[in-house]
Amino acid sequence: DTEVTQTPKHLVMGMTNKKSLKCEQHMGHRAMYWYKQKAKKPPELMFVYSYEKLSINESVPSRFSPECPNSSLLNLHLHALQPEDSALYLCASSQGTGYEQYFGPGTRLTVT
Amino acid sequence: TQLLEQSPQFLSIQEGENLTVYCNSSSVFSSLQWYRQEPGEGPVLLVTVVTGGEVKKLKRLTFQFGDARKDSSLHITAAQTGDTGLYLCAGARGSYIPTFGRGTSLIVHP
Repeated sequence: DTEVTQTPKHLVMGMTNKKSLKCEQHMGHRAMYWYKQKAKKPPELMFVYSYEKLSINESVPSRFSPECPNSSLLNLHLHALQPEDSALYLCASSQGTGYEQYFGPGTRLTVT
Repeated sequence: TQLLEQSPQFLSIQEGENLTVYCNSSSVFSSLQWYRQEPGEGPVLLVTVVTGGEVKKLKRLTFQFGDARKDSSLHITAAQTGDTGLYLCAGARGSYIPTFGRGTSLIVHP
């Protein structure tokens, strides 16, 4: 099983809302990632968790807050987002950093 | 500076044509991945190449890793409309997070 699941599939939120994106994998992978992707562009790395600890934060604004409750779950908490934050948010996992990544289907986020 | 140069950026062809996408770098990679992504979906891993000179085939897709492990190519034979999508290469160096190329947006017309 090489499946990474993400919920919700679509999310529309206002600039004052608080929402969370969820990601889950059961492959025993020890590295998990959040990416942001705009149309026809490559994914942009946001955060990396390795062994449940935040190892990379690519200078992401504090309105995005990641959380790794356990080795299978990854959340991204959203608060006071801007319209320019509208994008496809992708979760990925890998055996470890430097290994091939498996992506979830993404959450299409629209900020109004 | 883009670590991985991917070309062409856009490709629009007719069904049945052949095409090649290139991924080049001045850095040596320990492995390189190719992904295909359809609109609104996550990238799907097609192949990982790890050995210099390695060639892997996936039906009509042929992947090659350069001898020096600095470049790779993806060749599609007799393209079909179902091949339409964004093709991404990603190169890994040791334990570092893989770096993505800019992607090739392929449209195959019936």
